[in-house]
Amino acid sequence: DAKTTQPPSMDCAEGRAANLPCNHSTISGNEYVYWYRQIHSQGPQYIIHGLKNNETNEMASLIITEDRKSSTLILPHATLRDTAVYYCIVRVQHNTDKLIFGTGTRLQVFP
Amino acid sequence: DAGVIQSPRHEVTEMGQEVTLRCKPISGHDYLFWYRQTMMRGLELLIYFNNNVPIDDSGMPEDRFSAKMPNASFSTLKIQPSEPRDSAVYFCASSLDGVNYNEQFFGPGTRLTVL
Repeated sequence: DAKTTQPPSMDCAEGRAANLPCNHSTISGNEYVYWYRQIHSQGPQYIIHGLKNNETNEMASLIITEDRKSSTLILPHATLRDTAVYYCIVRVQHNTDKLIFGTGTRLQVFP
Repeated sequence: DAGVIQSPRHEVTEMGQEVTLRCKPISGHDYLFWYRQTMMRGLELLIYFNNNVPIDDSGMPEDRFSAKMPNASFSTLKIQPSEPRDSAVYFCASSLDGVNYNEQFFGPGTRLTVL
């Protein structure tokens, strides 16, 4: 699976959009981009995933560049409860189903 | 559904003792995963099962670690003998055997401290 690069930490004001970048310059054509987050003392939680089109769900939006070498997770209106470590993962979507977590981005939402 | 259930939530033991961690996956899920998380190494996959069969145990650190899944609703991770460096949070996760959608659902974790 391709490696990802994320900033180690970011801050965001409550109510503002949080934009979390991820570089995956060696991504293969059949690899998806997944985002999980881990709130302190809890297990990781799935957020969203995509292949090449932008995706949106009730939690977030995922913007993938046309060359697919990078992506951005957007939390449109960050709340204090969004404070967590966010992991960007790229993987082939087949039945081996392994997730390889990097170091992620620690997002701190402040009042 | 109650989600993935893990027990115990906290375990404190002494070096050399046997430790057994338990996991109940979400009903109907075909995959079960065991992860370990430490400050030094982050979140790492130890082993995973598909339909109760171990598929990949390459992440199991050494022979002291073993995992079983006797049926679709129960799995154990055993450490014998335990060592202080095994102190970590151990997560269990499960997922459906979906073709296009492989979200993993994680349990709350077991915090293991080996003295």
